[in-house]
Order: sequence, then C-alpha cells, then structure tokens
Amino acid sequence: QQQVKQSPQSLIVQKGGISIINCAYENTAFDYFPWYQQFPGKGPALLIAIRPDVSEKKEGRFTISFNKSAKQFSLHIMDSQPGDSATYFCAARESGADSWGKLQFGAGTQVVVTP
Amino acid sequence: GAVVSQHPSRVICKSGTSVKIECRSLDFQATTMFWYRQFPKKSLMLMATSNEGSKATYEQGVEKDKFLINHASLTLSTLTVTSAHPEDSSFYICSARRTATEAFFGQGTRLTVV
Repeated sequence: QQQVKQSPQSLIVQKGGISIINCAYENTAFDYFPWYQQFPGKGPALLIAIRPDVSEKKEGRFTISFNKSAKQFSLHIMDSQPGDSATYFCAARESGADSWGKLQFGAGTQVVVTP
Repeated sequence: GAVVSQHPSRVICKSGTSVKIECRSLDFQATTMFWYRQFPKKSLMLMATSNEGSKATYEQGVEKDKFLINHASLTLSTLTVTSAHPEDSSFYICSARRTATEAFFGQGTRLTVV
C-alpha cells in the first residue's frame, strides 16, 4: 500500500501556466519531503525538498507548500516550460535509525507542457 | 548536485545468466545506498537498503538469492541479478545517501533478459 498518495496521475498545462501536484501522507514519522523529476530512461533528479517545520520553500520556478496539520504537501511549477515535461515524484523520508533514511515514493505525475 | 554513476546504462543478457550492475558515488562517500526497480510508467519500488560493510536489508517479497547486493566500499555498491529470467527485465536504479536527508540517484540500468 502506497504510504504517500500523489495526484493527479497526469496533467497537461500550457506554456507559461502553473502546474500543481499534490501529495498526502499518514505516517507522522516522516520528517523530510523531497520532490524528484524524472525524464524517460533516466534516473530521478532531486528538484526541491522541505522539512515539516517549514510551510513553504521556493527555488526558482518551483515552490513546495507544506501543511503539517493536514499531512499534505504540494509542488507548484510556475511559468511552466516545455522542458518541464517529465514525471514528478513526491517522496517522504522515514525517520529513525532502523529506516536508514529510506524514501517512500508517490505514484508519480506525468506533466506535459504544451507550446 | 552530487554525482552518482550507474553502469551499465543498458544490458541485454540471455535467460539463465547473471548480470552485475554497479553504482558509484563519485564525489562523496555513501554509507547507505538503495536499490530500486521501476516498471514502465510506475513509481520506484525499493528492493533493498545497502550499508557499507554489512549485509543488505531486503524489502518484503524481494528474493535475496536472486538479487545479490554488495556494498564493499563507501563509494561502490553492486546489484547482481542471478539466473536472470525475462520477468526480471526492468529498469533498475540505485541511489546513494550523501547526508541524513539527501539522496541522489544514478541514471538507471535498463535490463532486458532474452
């Protein structure tokens, strides 16, 4: 059972528009929430990450919003570009020595940015 | 970001043979590395956690004898798929943990068993 639920499964956005991807979790032991970008045939690349004591983090056109009480977090891609077309995964890190920092991944969102 | 190199990027092997995939952290030491499997248009499925100098910890349902993991140094972990069969064909990805929170992925290995 997926511990991190991600939606939507796919989305199409026009160039210049905003892409929004949402994730939700139940496990309060998660203590770090990264987002990864993956192009076909490549490994995921770390995009941006946030800790639960921060409500928002912005890096360039990418912003994470985090709602600890609702156990939800989202990725906003501003001014979306065709080069942003990729699959995006949210993830959550398990705290505790026994977990070795392993990540639980969402199901992924395929983003297509049309010219 | 940190560099994790995975080799080979593609491999085709005959059914019944074994294939080894290497994962190297090029510019940092990684006491912990992870191995994932990814099916087309699906998420990453964690197979095992590899800690330098100790036995790997496998996720439930992953066959230890089929997927041999060795983490002999702080910069190298290997995954050997033994007696490979067509159902083992998949995209295998490693990741190396640089800090308590940051993990960086290799470029993946496309394994095709014929």
